Amino acid sequence: GAGVSQSPRYKVAKRGQDVALRCDPISGHVSLFWYQQALGQGPEFLTYFQNEAQLDKSGLPSDRFFAERPEGSVSTLKIQRTQQEDSAVYLCASSSSGQPGEKLFFGSGTQLSVL
Amino acid sequence: EDQVTQSPEALRLQEGESSSLNCSYTVSGLRGLFWYRQDPGKGPEFLFTLYSAGEEKEKERLKATLTKKESFLHITAPKPEDSATYLCAVHYGGSQGNLIFGKGTKLSVKP
Repeated sequence: GAGVSQSPRYKVAKRGQDVALRCDPISGHVSLFWYQQALGQGPEFLTYFQNEAQLDKSGLPSDRFFAERPEGSVSTLKIQRTQQEDSAVYLCASSSSGQPGEKLFFGSGTQLSVL
Repeated sequence: EDQVTQSPEALRLQEGESSSLNCSYTVSGLRGLFWYRQDPGKGPEFLFTLYSAGEEKEKERLKATLTKKESFLHITAPKPEDSATYLCAVHYGGSQGNLIFGKGTKLSVKP
């Protein structure tokens, strides 16, 4: 596709529900990243993949957060037993190679609200 | 602790009034400094990458510069369409995950 696509655009969940957020990166992009952006803050790193391998998950805030990219293209970020503090915009980004520091192409994000 | 600090938090300019945004960083092993623009409800959009002190890059009314401790984004004769949040990010170390974003500067340009 022309850009990084994320769905859903908005998600409202009741506290304790599980949610799944989807990211379609730019076709052929090797690296895929997930970021969390709270209101008025910069994006914070959660995890990244090179092809299907999850090379760094150090930013995942708890074991309730899980990400996968089984075929090296589409990725899903799953949050189990959502809490109010999980409310944020979740951004997905991709880059064309596996080289560190390459520019990222971001999607528009999924705004998650936990009530 | 590795940090990226942007100032000011918010900046209001009149159309045509030039100014600069600042990004200061304290990281070990800088690999690159990035500037992104973020419009409301959108993801960040790449503007520039700077790799070494003394480097400069330009795009339309924007010019980014880098020293050993900070970067500046100079905006010359801004227009209302330049209104956005400008984010600075620093990549350090060898991992793709070692990318720290600042909180951004929200720029408003009034006609």
